[in-house]
Amino acid sequence: EVQLVESGGGLVQPGRSLRLSCAASGFTFDDYAMHWVRQGPGKGLEWVSGIDWNSGSTGYADSVKGRFTISRDNAKRTLHLQMNSLRPEDTALYYCARDVAATILGGWYLDLWGRGTLVSVSS
Amino acid sequence: QTVVTQEPSISVSPGGTVTLTCGLSSGSVSSRHYPSWYQQTPGHAPRALIYDTKTRPSGVPDRFSGSIFGNKAALTITGAQADDDSDYYCVLCLGSGIWVFGGGTKLTVL
Repeated sequence: EVQLVESGGGLVQPGRSLRLSCAASGFTFDDYAMHWVRQGPGKGLEWVSGIDWNSGSTGYADSVKGRFTISRDNAKRTLHLQMNSLRPEDTALYYCARDVAATILGGWYLDLWGRGTLVSVSS
Repeated sequence: QTVVTQEPSISVSPGGTVTLTCGLSSGSVSSRHYPSWYQQTPGHAPRALIYDTKTRPSGVPDRFSGSIFGNKAALTITGAQADDDSDYYCVLCLGSGIWVFGGGTKLTVL
């Protein structure tokens, strides 16, 4: 089955770290760029980060730049998001999503989404 | 910081035509921003409706169309149906692999 399954979310105190993972199955993982998109409670979608098929290029939203790091392990078909210095405003459902293209340079779209993993940042 | 703007809410009658827009806080939207549009219903992941300004992914009904209208990207729904009652998000590529979603438009079909 073609799917993405996120994991690693949870409740964490402000200033602490968390590492999200996204396991891909049913398709050739290294054919595609991948992204993280989040949605705060009752809020809209926010693009967080993206990575090319070979990790050659990455991009980050201004709100997470310098704190979050995206990476992928094509051999293990897994996408990661290392989140440091977490803030209450990072509280959200974090989706892993597949780009139909191999690069994050735009012009294409996200065609496969996971169900998300919930991150709550609170003392 | 660049902000992508959308109407917070819009209403349309069943069978009617409605246009949602997507702008930039500074400057105009053009095809080089590769505008795309997503539909999201509560409790579900988003679904792509339009990419690269006006291209529909396979399986998307042709009542959804995309364009550049003035200095904004636009999503037009022709012959609105009850199940179009959803949240709609545009996303723009600002270059160097940076994407930004708009705040979303809540479309009510009534």
